[in-house]
Amino acid sequence: NAGVTQTPKFQVLKTGQSMTLQCAQDMNHNSMYWYRQDPGMGLRLIYYSASEGTTDKGEVPNGYNVSRLNKREFSLRLESAAPSQTSVYFCASSRQGASTDTQYFGPGTRLTVL
Amino acid sequence: QKEVEQNSGPLSVPEGAIASLNCTYSDRGSQSFFWYRQYSGKSPELIMFIYSNGDKEDGRFTAQLNKASQYVSLLIRDSQPSDSATYLCAFWDSNYQLIWGAGTKLIIKP
Repeated sequence: NAGVTQTPKFQVLKTGQSMTLQCAQDMNHNSMYWYRQDPGMGLRLIYYSASEGTTDKGEVPNGYNVSRLNKREFSLRLESAAPSQTSVYFCASSRQGASTDTQYFGPGTRLTVL
Repeated sequence: QKEVEQNSGPLSVPEGAIASLNCTYSDRGSQSFFWYRQYSGKSPELIMFIYSNGDKEDGRFTAQLNKASQYVSLLIRDSQPSDSATYLCAFWDSNYQLIWGAGTKLIIKP
């Protein structure tokens, strides 16, 4: 099992460019999440998908869109990148999204917006 | 605003000693608490999960939860250089989202 995989690992964008971050899990989990991590701050939830076919906004959704393509895949799109979106992005998954569930993280995507 | 407070550190502990990491949280309704470890440049991984008041032990790790005082701590016994990492505290809020602290950087000195 690969667990949670993310592509790409690194990306540099110019302001205004768009891109999609890909995430896939092979653990048959129902819930998937996108976080961003900035220096000196905790992980902040961007969007999550409690189950296939549903998506909901997290704490910092502005400037992002998501697609839950199927049970395995959950993508994050930046339509018009801004320097404030420079960050490390983590995808995570959990079995049911219940309060006792462990979230498993992918390796992260390090994004720089110039 | 729901918050998790952690001392950013770095916390420096001699090898073989006990490392004590603390976390306070703002949401009295929180039921579940997590400690994750994150090595530099890597993703977070679960160390401990606790939801009942008191202590929970797993090998060299002990999590302690005090809901009345709204704090959760992590003790690492017989600290090893491989324990050097940032430790993230998180709690599950009433909106079914994990709220994360910024983490405490722990350095174990040989």
